[in-house]
Amino acid sequence: GQNIDQPTEMTATEGAIVQINCTYQTSGFNGLFWYQQHAGEAPTFLSYNVLDGLEEKGRFSSFLSRSKGYSYLLLKELQMKDSASYLCAGFGDYKLSFGAGTTVTVRA
Amino acid sequence: KAGVTQTPRYLIKTRGQQVTLSCSPISGHRSVSWYQQTPGQGLQFLFEYFSETQRNKGNFPGRFSGRQFSNSRSEMNVSTLELGDSALYLCASSGGNNSPLHFGNGTRLTVT
Repeated sequence: GQNIDQPTEMTATEGAIVQINCTYQTSGFNGLFWYQQHAGEAPTFLSYNVLDGLEEKGRFSSFLSRSKGYSYLLLKELQMKDSASYLCAGFGDYKLSFGAGTTVTVRA
Repeated sequence: KAGVTQTPRYLIKTRGQQVTLSCSPISGHRSVSWYQQTPGQGLQFLFEYFSETQRNKGNFPGRFSGRQFSNSRSEMNVSTLELGDSALYLCASSGGNNSPLHFGNGTRLTVT
């Protein structure tokens, strides 16, 4: 199975940077997903890291260290619309194992 | 390209009834998986199908079942509904190994 840990809540100011950390203990680990979920909506795919290193996609970047069982999602130039829950999920054995999610609140 | 489509969007059932939820994956995607989301338990894996074969199953009772058709569309069935089955049921499809999983909008099931 997989154990995924991430902080429960984070608050940041519009325009700032926030880093959401995720640690995992897994079996059959293939890679690490990040999803964004607004209240009442389905999760939206943000990134998928298979290899170690940083993947940059616009204002969002994701990092993975397989040896340390660690990942982070970096949100830059925060906007009000980035207020949402961010879900870290390990992928292996054809399934996603999710963390409880980090609620990010962006304040003006 | 159309996204993952789930029907219906909302369902209200009473205890003891059964329910069938439907999922149409993104065109060309052959892997379909199902997840249950509740405020207390978060997102939990139910099962995954590829080419009509179940490749993995989560820790849910036998009342939860699923299947996949030759056109990759999938259904999940919950029998003898309990109040605790009230949840958002999400379907995700993927194009293959190391490909992202994309979620549908979900079916919100309320059991009264």
